[in-house]
Amino acid sequence: DGGITQSPKYLFRKEGQNVTLSCEQNLNHDAMYWYRQDPGQGLRLIYYSQIVNDFQKGDIAEGYSVSREKKESFPLTVTSAQKNPTAFYLCASSPQSRGTLRNGYTFGSGTRLTVV
Amino acid sequence: SQQGEEDPQALSIQEGENATMNCSYKTSINNLQWYRQNSGRGLVHLILIRSNEREKHSGRLRVTLDTSKKSSSLLITASRAADTASYFCATGPNSGGSNYKLTFGKGTLLTVNP
Repeated sequence: DGGITQSPKYLFRKEGQNVTLSCEQNLNHDAMYWYRQDPGQGLRLIYYSQIVNDFQKGDIAEGYSVSREKKESFPLTVTSAQKNPTAFYLCASSPQSRGTLRNGYTFGSGTRLTVV
Repeated sequence: SQQGEEDPQALSIQEGENATMNCSYKTSINNLQWYRQNSGRGLVHLILIRSNEREKHSGRLRVTLDTSKKSSSLLITASRAADTASYFCATGPNSGGSNYKLTFGKGTLLTVNP
């Protein structure tokens, strides 16, 4: 079955550590996105990528980094510069045609990151 | 910045009743979408309505869009306990180019009591 897989489901980070969240899709979608969700809040965009080897900052990119070396993969690194990283992280993908969103996003099941 | 704002923030109804959630937005849009999120899970796309459409149906879901008022509503008819979830609206900008991304609201938490 086609879908989008995030791993791990739960992640614990010590102060000062970098951690990487995995996001893989087999939907052949061009675009991929990372969102952060805090309790009772909506989703805030961290980074997004329209094509391989290209990505753009979202609204809250500080303290995060990404790469897009393959169409299927869009890992997110939460660096030690991110002062409040405890949150639920969601990865999504979408098909696009000449920059137009044709359908909705497909989301992964999320990674819950906790700083210990 | 958040584009869509859902109303109410929380809604509690009995099984079998209809649930209506509203979304308001500020800038011109290409389309508006509704998503559902069960607790601790990812979001699931429910329905997309384009700016030139006024109403759309999908099963027990009915979405309306009023671009003059910059608002949308999601109606779930004959609700079930399994409909308990958070519902988010998301707007797609009306700007051209390839930098296309959705902006999500804070969501409405719907509780359907058996």
